[in-house]
Amino acid sequence: QKEVEQDPGPLSVPEGAIVSLNCTYSNSAFQYFMWYRQYSRKGPELLMYTYSSGNKEDGRFTAQVDKSSKYISLFIRDSQPSDSATYLCAIGAVGYSTLTFGKGTMLLVSP
Amino acid sequence: DGGITQSPKYLFRKEGQNVTLSCEQNLNHDAMYWYRQDPGQGLRLIYYSQIVNDFQKGDIAEGYSVSREKKESFPLTVTSAQKNPTAFYLCASSIIPSTRGQPQHFGDGTRLSIL
Repeated sequence: QKEVEQDPGPLSVPEGAIVSLNCTYSNSAFQYFMWYRQYSRKGPELLMYTYSSGNKEDGRFTAQVDKSSKYISLFIRDSQPSDSATYLCAIGAVGYSTLTFGKGTMLLVSP
Repeated sequence: DGGITQSPKYLFRKEGQNVTLSCEQNLNHDAMYWYRQDPGQGLRLIYYSQIVNDFQKGDIAEGYSVSREKKESFPLTVTSAQKNPTAFYLCASSIIPSTRGQPQHFGDGTRLSIL
């Protein structure tokens, strides 16, 4: 069983839609959670970082963590064509330098 | 502006040749990382370093070497022993994780191809 599972997509939505991106993980030691956005031929850019269960909101983005289900989500409201990118989840454990990344979900938002 | 600079953006390697990818950061981060990204494979960790003059192998270190002589710099050498080097290489850095762990920040990558 892989440590972090993420649907590769592509996920195609019309402009203005609410997007839900998800990851599941298997190791209960994981305690902090990140979402990155990666445009083509660019490095990943940190979007959201959270340490606890619950929701964290930043503009149109909401990160949700459910540790009991080992499930994390990123919601994008009022999606825009500029949101078209690959979204990577990353998960880590306290005191460890390395992160475990999902393989990424490609999102396509059409005008 | 603080950030991570990777160079060159594109690099070509001939058979039997070693090539070195540069990574410099001015974020005053202690930890630095090298990843390889292939289509459908996600990010795979090659090497990481938490302190100057010390580094650890990641999941796919064979055919690669690194050095960490300065806090700001973490160059990656792709040796001739790496038989499939064509990939997108990403460098990242972070504050050493403490009780709450720290996210990694990435450069914009180097795309390496075989001639």
